[in-house]
Amino acid sequence: DAKTTQPPSMDCAEGRAANLPCNHSTISGNEYVYWYRQIHSQGPQYIIHGLKNNETNEMASLIITEDRKSSTLILPHATLRDTAVYYCIVRERNAGGTSYGKLTFGQGTILTVHP
Amino acid sequence: DTEVTQTPKHLVMGMTNKKSLKCEQHMGHRAMYWYKQKAKKPPELMFVYSYEKLSINESVPSRFSPECPNSSLLNLHLHALQPEDSALYLCASSRTQWERGGELFFGEGSRLTVL
Repeated sequence: DAKTTQPPSMDCAEGRAANLPCNHSTISGNEYVYWYRQIHSQGPQYIIHGLKNNETNEMASLIITEDRKSSTLILPHATLRDTAVYYCIVRERNAGGTSYGKLTFGQGTILTVHP
Repeated sequence: DTEVTQTPKHLVMGMTNKKSLKCEQHMGHRAMYWYKQKAKKPPELMFVYSYEKLSINESVPSRFSPECPNSSLLNLHLHALQPEDSALYLCASSRTQWERGGELFFGEGSRLTVL
């Protein structure tokens, strides 16, 4: 599995953009980068995923560097409800590259949004 | 309906008890998952079912017995558990296990306490 490295914690002021970094220097060519978050006492929630291009949806933007060794999740206008643990995950593929299996969570970043 | 419903939300059991956790989804998903999450740790994969057949068992002790009676239901039967098995048990589903890019939908979890 490609492993990910995230800062253990980050702070952000409400209304400002939250930029959460993730390093995945051993990622392989067909492995996707996923972001999930887990608000206290709830199940993880899917945010976004990407392969090599930048992606945007109603929740966030995902910026992947050209060499794919790192990525940044951007919450453009953080609110108090965005306080959560954010997990950057590389989804493994089988040796033939035809199927994808386990979603393995790392330690994540605790994002605290302050008023 | 994009919900994964888990029951019960809380369960307290003794080490000699037999109990079950239940998970239900009506999104037509054909892959279902059990994850275990200890306090302040990331979720860890336990089992994966694909088209009602066990696909992945992450070397989970036999005191945990999964069952997938149909495509909408997933059970986790518990017997002779230890206090260290106390954790949040999360169920998830996805359209298929092998679909590249497919997201997982998680339930809110069942919090288990073993006395």
